[in-house]
Amino acid sequence: AQSVSQHNHHVILSEAASLELGCNYSYGGTVNLFWYVQYPGQHLQLLLKYFSGDPLVKGIKGFEAEFIKSKFSFNLRKPSVQWSDTAEYFCAANNAGNMLTFGGGTRLMVKP
Amino acid sequence: SQTIHQWPATLVQPVGSPLSLECTVEGTSNPNLYWYRQAAGRGLQLLFYSVGIGQISSEVPQNLSASRPQDRQFILSSKKLLLSDSGFYLCAWSGGGMIDEQFFGPGTRLTVL
Repeated sequence: AQSVSQHNHHVILSEAASLELGCNYSYGGTVNLFWYVQYPGQHLQLLLKYFSGDPLVKGIKGFEAEFIKSKFSFNLRKPSVQWSDTAEYFCAANNAGNMLTFGGGTRLMVKP
Repeated sequence: SQTIHQWPATLVQPVGSPLSLECTVEGTSNPNLYWYRQAAGRGLQLLFYSVGIGQISSEVPQNLSASRPQDRQFILSSKKLLLSDSGFYLCAWSGGGMIDEQFFGPGTRLTVL
């Protein structure tokens, strides 16, 4: 069965630190990959998505993710986090004809 | 622009009582609609999805059911709630493609006592 794994459940960083959140998926073949974010008190919203082309995807608010097919990974990165990046981050994946599968989420706390 | 509404925002119900959660979408037609349950540390679990009126697919067997009586209305129901039904329920919509972004509602926090 398809699955999506997020390695870190909780991450605490200071402002200006660099961020990398891990995501691995178990799909074979063509895969579509997503990162969603849920800020405190807000709706879940899309940060970025990959479905083809350049494996380095840029999203909103300075986030980017790199699709590495050989590692079945789609890690989320940001060079310098801000307090406003405090949120829960979800990786998700699907392939043709299948529904999205979400990872367990990573809670990020950025200390001012 | 499109918006998605869910109500109620919070609900406390006794075990054995019925449940009806409603989700409506505005500003789009013939959306795909989804019900998820979000549990801490376990991400989002897809419960039901619908590609059209009266068309419901269930992803996991459980005490819940879903219906889509109108194009932009999606209802999550139960005849008799269990303690294990407590959780945070999210409705979402998307266009017809697999790579289409899903747009999420504000969610309903259900507590079964």
